[in-house]
Amino acid sequence: SQQGEEDPQALSIQEGENATMNCSYKTSINNLQWYRQNSGRGLVHLILIRSNEREKHSGRLRVTLDTSKKSSSLLITASRAADTASYFCATDVITGANSKLTFGKGITLSVRP
Amino acid sequence: DTAVSQTPKYLVTQMGNDKSIKCEQNLGHDTMYWYKQDSKKFLKIMFSYNNKELIINETVPNRFSPKSPDKAHLNLHINSLELGDSAVYFCASNHRGATEAFFGQGTRLTVV
Repeated sequence: SQQGEEDPQALSIQEGENATMNCSYKTSINNLQWYRQNSGRGLVHLILIRSNEREKHSGRLRVTLDTSKKSSSLLITASRAADTASYFCATDVITGANSKLTFGKGITLSVRP
Repeated sequence: DTAVSQTPKYLVTQMGNDKSIKCEQNLGHDTMYWYKQDSKKFLKIMFSYNNKELIINETVPNRFSPKSPDKAHLNLHINSLELGDSAVYFCASNHRGATEAFFGQGTRLTVV
């Protein structure tokens, strides 16, 4: 079964605006990660937040994690046309020797110039 | 230097054929993955290997057989290809549970 689900599924904003994307998951996790995928390319890691962290920043990115609600959000501030891409959250669950990185369905972000 | 490289980038083949996709990582990671991304961009994990050992097999048909000759390589062999196998296949690697995953550029498989 799918672990992470993002919403909205698609988001269209004007350049300069902030973009907020949400992710919900079902089981306990070790960390949660956000990735970006440009059209026709592989996924690129953006930011990782551990289960004992609540907020993390990286440049124009801010990610929050609420383990009680099993949810995370990714905020991109002052968006640029180059931010247009698909964004995925991924949950990392470690069970014994197993490490399973499971992705949501992704959010398509369009930033209009 | 490419961190995770997979070949080929494109693969067009007929139903019933057998094909392989190769993946290599030069990052010293201990865990490698195969993911399938369908036309709706949903990324589904297929296999996970840790130190050459199969850790996860997500109910993938046994026509798909991964092989890890060493920690740096994880190849995917597919027998008797079907139309529904058409997708983009991504290889990835990381250190188990601790770090970001690095992805290859993907192999777009088209079965005709």
